[in-house]
Amino acid sequence: EAQVTQNPRYLITVTGKKLTVTCSQNMNHEYMSWYRQDPGLGLRQIYYSMNVEVTDKGDVPEGYKVSRKEKRNFPLILESPSPNQTSLYFCASSSLGTAFYEQYFGPGTRLTVT
Amino acid sequence: RKEVEQDPGPFNVPEGATVAFNCTYSNSASQSFFWYRQDCRKEPKLLMSVYSSGNEDGRFTAQLNRASQYISLLIRDSKLSDSATYLCVVNEDEKDSSYKLIFGSGTRLLVRP
Repeated sequence: EAQVTQNPRYLITVTGKKLTVTCSQNMNHEYMSWYRQDPGLGLRQIYYSMNVEVTDKGDVPEGYKVSRKEKRNFPLILESPSPNQTSLYFCASSSLGTAFYEQYFGPGTRLTVT
Repeated sequence: RKEVEQDPGPFNVPEGATVAFNCTYSNSASQSFFWYRQDCRKEPKLLMSVYSSGNEDGRFTAQLNRASQYISLLIRDSKLSDSATYLCVVNEDEKDSSYKLIFGSGTRLLVRP
């Protein structure tokens, strides 16, 4: 089954404790991206990657890191989480070219930072 | 001003009703437009693309008005299962941003029995 998986689905942590949210896709997509979703603000892009070892900042990259060492995986790293990073996070992937617009999203990770 | 603006709703309609949402975008150079659907606490999924000539898929019709910079989504004969949040999505399509999607914050639809 074609899918994007994220882990963990729910996470409660404390300020400053490093964490990683994993994202994996099995569709051989070149493009992967991380979004955060907050009430009234919609989905905002954090980082994206056009291919292995190619990553770039989105609209709200501060406080986050990513890596793309393998095509299927795109982990999101919070080195020192803060309460303003409490949010719902989605990973997404797609092909490039004309199919880019059909983004396949993971099920989301709900993060709470206290 | 937000790049993509939507009325957050909720739109509360009875089953069988026709309902329409609009979405305005600020970048006149935008080329591609889409509607995504997001169920409560779930991930967004592509509903349909919006072509210049309009696009119809069953009970759903999407239209684009470039002059006024808005797109619309019309749902006919609403079903209970149509209850969801509908996200307007625009491709920025500027020189270095052809792979950047801008998501609206969504319009919530509630269809009641």
